[in-house]
Amino acid sequence: AQKITQTQPGMFVQEKEAVTLDCTYDTSDQSYGLFWYKQPSSGEMIFLIYQGSYDEQNATEGRYSLNFQKARKSANLVISASQLGDSAMYFCAMRGHFGNEKLTFGTGTRLTIIP
Amino acid sequence: GAGVSQSPRYKVAKRGQDVALRCDPISGHVSLFWYQQALGQGPEFLTYFQNEAQLDKSGLPSDRFFAERPEGSVSTLKIQRTQQEDSAVYLCASSLVVTSGGFGEQYFGPGTRLTVT
Repeated sequence: AQKITQTQPGMFVQEKEAVTLDCTYDTSDQSYGLFWYKQPSSGEMIFLIYQGSYDEQNATEGRYSLNFQKARKSANLVISASQLGDSAMYFCAMRGHFGNEKLTFGTGTRLTIIP
Repeated sequence: GAGVSQSPRYKVAKRGQDVALRCDPISGHVSLFWYQQALGQGPEFLTYFQNEAQLDKSGLPSDRFFAERPEGSVSTLKIQRTQQEDSAVYLCASSLVVTSGGFGEQYFGPGTRLTVT
């Protein structure tokens, strides 16, 4: 079984500062994928970034980067130069090996950017 | 191009009524997923289709829940004899099949908020 743990229910960050959202995972699969999604108050889930278990380099997408530490089973999301529009719920999710397509989500972190 | 669409966006049902929730995936997406998101929680997997085949329905909470995708595109999630604990947002997502070169990013619809009174 797969499990995602997000231990920060809420975070407040000053605008333009960087923020790290924590995510740890547990799986018996050797091959897996890790995702971060953003859910604004409108409710839609927006894909941010992906890291494969065999990827040697940390993923980056614009202001988003994923700090992947495989031995510690952590996949933290780093948002640089935060903006007011970054205020939302953030979910870490895992997909298992090829053929096991479903996502397992954590409980989420509510990020609030303070002007 | 058009994203994933869901209808209705909001549904209020009296306890015991049947409801049907519709999902239109992105054209060409082979995989389709249904998730249930309770208030303040992360989405939880319900069921998964690849084309018209339902490959995994392990997350359906009871036999009152039924999903279909008869022609491999539009999908319907049906809940019979609704109960108050069925109140949640039901999210649909679609993706291309994961290949050795891809990672199967799932694109989500806006969800249907079901309230059972």
